Amino acid sequence: GEDVEQSLFLSVREGDSSVINCTYTDSSSTYLYWYKQEPGAGLQLLTYIFSNMDMKQDQRLTVLLNKKDKHLSLRIADTQTGDSAIYFCAENPVQGGKLIFGQGTELSVKP
Amino acid sequence: ETGVTQTPRHLVMGMTNKKSLKCEQHLGHNAMYWYKQSAKKPLELMFVYSLEERVENNSVPSRFSPECPNSSHLFLHLHTLQPEDSALYLCASSLTSSSTDTQYFGPGTRLTVL
Repeated sequence: GEDVEQSLFLSVREGDSSVINCTYTDSSSTYLYWYKQEPGAGLQLLTYIFSNMDMKQDQRLTVLLNKKDKHLSLRIADTQTGDSAIYFCAENPVQGGKLIFGQGTELSVKP
Repeated sequence: ETGVTQTPRHLVMGMTNKKSLKCEQHLGHNAMYWYKQSAKKPLELMFVYSLEERVENNSVPSRFSPECPNSSHLFLHLHTLQPEDSALYLCASSLTSSSTDTQYFGPGTRLTVL
């Protein structure tokens, strides 16, 4: 079935690295996405990775993909208080033609 | 990010009211979406439009009625809603409705049904 799972909460100290994990079920997904949602706002596309890649780096963000285990992670280096938000992982299975979202991980950054 | 805009940002309505949510995209996309985001639940896809034609309707109650007059505008007409319909309603667009096209989201309309 279609299921994307994330842990619900993560708390880190400012300046530390944050790692948000996600597992998905459909190996046909072409892209896997990370979206960020700040309080009271919509979803902002942070980054995405093509399914034939293992890693993608974009400034402070590093995405790691383990296709064998269907595991995706987002690492935020030097986490800042402005990174506090809910982070959603999403996959796009070829069958069905729609994005499947996880429940979101709430990242809390403490000074 | 101003590619996808939504109005109003906040809406409070009674169960007997009729209101509409509006979404506009300035990205030249051909597909538009309505999602519902309730507390502590994954986003729920409600409707998908491609080139102004509805291509998906995920068993949404008839009290939600979408309208897509052109590829840049999407409406969600609301009538006789229930308190459990209170949620954040998000609009998104993508180049096409293909699952490989990235979706870009608007800021959402926070709806409260009294």
